[in-house]
Amino acid sequence: EVQLVESGGGLIQPGESLRLSCAASGFIVSSDYMSWVRQAPGKGLEWVSVIYSGGSTYYADSVKGRFTISRDSSKNTLYLQMNSLRAEDTAVYYCARGLDIAAFDSWGQGTLVTVPS
Amino acid sequence: QSALTQPASVSGSPGQSITISCTGTSSDVGAYNYVSWYQQHPGTAPKLIIYAVTNRPSGVSNRFSGSKSGNTASLTISGLQAADEADYYCSSFTGISTRVFGGGTKLTVL
Repeated sequence: EVQLVESGGGLIQPGESLRLSCAASGFIVSSDYMSWVRQAPGKGLEWVSVIYSGGSTYYADSVKGRFTISRDSSKNTLYLQMNSLRAEDTAVYYCARGLDIAAFDSWGQGTLVTVPS
Repeated sequence: QSALTQPASVSGSPGQSITISCTGTSSDVGAYNYVSWYQQHPGTAPKLIIYAVTNRPSGVSNRFSGSKSGNTASLTISGLQAADEADYYCSSFTGISTRVFGGGTKLTVL
């Protein structure tokens, strides 16, 4: 059974850094493409970042230069390093596994990141 | 990349059918047959219900169906049930480097 479990969220001050983790089981993180998707309180889904099986990474313009997606094959875990956090980064962050080229077939339960204004 | 356009809300009575539209551009929805749909109940993670425009993952009811015409994709739910009341999001492939979601549609079952 595929399972994704995020951790690392919390209350963080503007300008500070935080690293989110997404522990995967039931599949190999490095063999699929993986993304982070966030949802601000009461708002819709926003795609944040993707890492492909070959290692290529891409980011939404809103986080480019501040966030870094990575993975550790030995731990079968996906990460999101978030630097220079802003109030507008406040959201529940989900990790998701890719299906075909564009869909996400498995999601974690999400972890809440709060950056006060 | 601008979000795809969805109606803010739709409603229907049990047993009826409803359709949710998702309008993009010739650079996303119109360019690729890679539109997906997600169902999200309050406080839970999104669940994939349609991928590649018309395909249903294993275990998803055949009451859910997808289609696309030009720059607009659609999700149809037939035989509405109370459990279908949720938020629905579309998403499209926009190229190797990005993805885009719709703003979401709240479905109310009357």
